[in-house]
Amino acid sequence: KNQVEQSPQSLIILEGKNCTLQCNYTVSPFSNLRWYKQDTGRGPVSLTIMTFSENTKSNGRYTATLDADTKQSSLHITASQLSDSASYICVVSEGGGGSQGNLIFGKGTKLSVKP
Amino acid sequence: KAGVTQTPRYLIKTRGQQVTLSCSPISGHRSVSWYQQTPGQGLQFLFEYFSETQRNKGNFPGRFSGRQFSNSRSEMNVSTLELGDSALYLCASSFGGYNQPQHFGDGTRLSIL
Repeated sequence: KNQVEQSPQSLIILEGKNCTLQCNYTVSPFSNLRWYKQDTGRGPVSLTIMTFSENTKSNGRYTATLDADTKQSSLHITASQLSDSASYICVVSEGGGGSQGNLIFGKGTKLSVKP
Repeated sequence: KAGVTQTPRYLIKTRGQQVTLSCSPISGHRSVSWYQQTPGQGLQFLFEYFSETQRNKGNFPGRFSGRQFSNSRSEMNVSTLELGDSALYLCASSFGGYNQPQHFGDGTRLSIL
């Protein structure tokens, strides 16, 4: 069964600290892996998209890595800010032709950044 | 540039009724996808429309259907509503390629009584 598992479920860190969120998947075939940030009461916002051949991608203070061999990804947040408090969702696309295919979502990691 | 607009933001229905939700994508985007988000299941993919055709479909019963118009606006319909259909329904638009980022609206909160 195609699955995306994220860890930890929740995380509390102090402002200014770094953190790393994990994502393991068993989705096949694989097209791409996406990380989203979702603030409470809002729709998700895309942070990064990585294909099979990419193993790292950055978006400001967010850096995602992908190991397609072990089917693992991580999202590293540098110098955290209070506004980083949100749920971070890992999504894997089953792919298929030129379309996004069926998207499999992880349950997310809820990050709280404290002053 | 206007974002993805979903209407209505909140909706209350009773079991057995049907409901139609609307999504206006970002101008120029031809792909519209729909998702259901619940505390227990998280986000789940419903279906994707591209140029008025359903291109991908998740694992939801036939009570969930959608359509896309020539201007790329999309509607989602749920018939014979069940208590378990209470959720946040999100719509996202993109240019349509497999590697394109999706832009989400803020959703329609559907409550079934």
